[in-house]
Amino acid sequence: NAGVTQTPKFQVLKTGQSMTLQCAQDMNHEYMSWYRQDPGMGLRLIHYSVGAGITDQGEVPNGYNVSRSTTEDFPLRLLSAAPSQTSVYFCASSSGQGEYDGYTFGSGTRLTVV
Amino acid sequence: LAKTTQPISMDSYEGQEVNITCSHNNIATNDYITWYQQFPSQGPRFIIQGYKTKVTNEVASLFIPADRKSSTLSLPRVSLSDTAVYYCLVAGAGANNLFFGTGTRLTVIP
Repeated sequence: NAGVTQTPKFQVLKTGQSMTLQCAQDMNHEYMSWYRQDPGMGLRLIHYSVGAGITDQGEVPNGYNVSRSTTEDFPLRLLSAAPSQTSVYFCASSSGQGEYDGYTFGSGTRLTVV
Repeated sequence: LAKTTQPISMDSYEGQEVNITCSHNNIATNDYITWYQQFPSQGPRFIIQGYKTKVTNEVASLFIPADRKSSTLSLPRVSLSDTAVYYCLVAGAGANNLFFGTGTRLTVIP
């Protein structure tokens, strides 16, 4: 049972480059989310999805795109990387059902934009 | 989403009970209170969730007074491995847009 898998774990980009952060979950969860965490800060929501084909913007969506073609995968695309996007990115999933349902987080992708 | 307020940091000695209080004055009727734990270089981990009164699991207890405007996470007999950041969240059941805030940094001292 892998849970939430994020790849890559580390990435260095040059300003203006694009890339996709991968996220996959094997728990058949409907809800998936992307967060970024800057040093010493809490997590901020970038985009989220409540099911395949359905996505919505979170608190800090600018510069990022998402799509949800399958229940399992929720990739995050950086269109044109900027130094301000240097951060740790976490993907999370939840069944979205029941009152005792927490989110399961991946181990994160540490991104540096130079 | 109801905003939460919690202490920025706390220190505790090993073996002591630690109580972290979170204030959420604007909690809505259908909101639940959830606590997450985050170790350095890891994603947050769900600890406990409750609606009212007391909830206990193998890791912690959560105390919620009748007015639900605050909650207290209780960690019994902490060890060095409990050093982490603890986040209090308030959201409706099945919410899809969680607000984490900056959390409480707990440092356990030998």
